[in-house]
Amino acid sequence: EAGVAQSPRYKIIEKRQSVAFWCNPISGHATLYWYQQILGQGPKLLIQFQNNGVVDDSQLPKDRFSAERLKGVDSTLKIQPAKLEDSAVYLCASSSQGVNEQFFGPGTRLTVL
Amino acid sequence: KQEVTQIPAALSVPEGENLVLNCSFTDSAIYNLQWFRQDPGKGLTSLLLIQSSQREQTSGRLNASLDKSSGRSTLYIAASQPGDSATYLCAVGGSQGNLIFGKGTKLSVKP
Repeated sequence: EAGVAQSPRYKIIEKRQSVAFWCNPISGHATLYWYQQILGQGPKLLIQFQNNGVVDDSQLPKDRFSAERLKGVDSTLKIQPAKLEDSAVYLCASSSQGVNEQFFGPGTRLTVL
Repeated sequence: KQEVTQIPAALSVPEGENLVLNCSFTDSAIYNLQWFRQDPGKGLTSLLLIQSSQREQTSGRLNASLDKSSGRSTLYIAASQPGDSATYLCAVGGSQGNLIFGKGTKLSVKP
């Protein structure tokens, strides 16, 4: 069974530029999560989807971050414009249902200069 | 607001030693607790999932326990090996499945 796929693996941008990350969850998993992990910290949930609907986006900085999961499968997370403090690893995870075991992708390491 | 604390922040042990990693959480109303391993520059690998109704789970040399009433979980690693060197993260699951993580314990096992 293929795991959670993410791309790109690394991205370096200048502040105020825009960037997008892509995630493809494990086949059949209805729930998809985006987490932000700042160096030395545990991951923090940004947004949770159940199929193509948003369950929780309370910690998503909506003035600059957006996410979508239009067909209930893969998802895109966008940052526009990026700030220095957005430098982090962005992790995507999926589960078969909301309270079940979560499986993580390899992450995208973003550096904002 | 749920807070998760992991102690110690870092741990160095000689190969073959048994060790315990600790995780505490402030709100006992959790649905599950999950332990992960993170290697440098990599994503998270799920090690063990304990449902709120369970007391412990075992996988190979790993054993995780959960005491909801006291807000504690421990991860026991038997006969540690250099390949166990990684950061271990504890996360508690809420009613909708969202995970709240601790900062992790960085484990180094010396040959």
